[in-house]
Amino acid sequence: NAGVTQTPKFRVLKTGQSMTLLCAQDMNHEYMYWYRQDPGMGLRLIHYSVGEGTTAKGEVPDGYNVSRLKKQNFLLGLESAAPSQTSVYFCASSEIGPSGFVLGNEQFFGPGTRLTVL
Amino acid sequence: SQKIEQNSEALNIQEGKTATLTCNYTNYSPAYLQWYRQDPGRGPVFLLLIRENEKEKRKERLKVTFDTTLKQSLFHITASQPADSATYLCALRGEAAGNKLTFGGGTRVLVKP
Repeated sequence: NAGVTQTPKFRVLKTGQSMTLLCAQDMNHEYMYWYRQDPGMGLRLIHYSVGEGTTAKGEVPDGYNVSRLKKQNFLLGLESAAPSQTSVYFCASSEIGPSGFVLGNEQFFGPGTRLTVL
Repeated sequence: SQKIEQNSEALNIQEGKTATLTCNYTNYSPAYLQWYRQDPGRGPVFLLLIRENEKEKRKERLKVTFDTTLKQSLFHITASQPADSATYLCALRGEAAGNKLTFGGGTRVLVKP
């Protein structure tokens, strides 16, 4: 199993450009997440999804959109990139517990995408 | 507002000693707390979970305590090795919906031989 994979690994954008980050997981997990990690700020949740076709806002959703058309994929889009979006982006997934109740299951993280917006 | 604090200063420790990291939180009533390890250039990796009704959890050389009265978790690495050098993150579940976690800023540990 590859676990959680992210594409691309690195990207440099100019202000105003758009791009899509792809996250894929092969563990059949229901939940998927997008985080950004900045120095001194820790991981902050951007958007998340509790199942195929569903998405919800996290702590810092502004400037980002997401889609979960297939269970195994979670896409993060930047429509008009800004320098403040320079960061390392991590995707994660987790499974739900018995009867749909989440028992604090661990999150599995991808290797990250380092994005620089000039 | 909700806040999770970890010591932002790196912890330098001699090989063989015990490293102790703290995670303090305010305005949370977490059902559980998790610890993750993150190596440079990589994503976090889950280490341990401790629930609100548990005082202590162990896994090999790792030990976690959880004091809901003090609103604090301690993370211990006993008989530390250079390979334990990494950043350690604590995470709390805030809202139940979506198994969402809120992470602390992490503490970097450097184990010197």
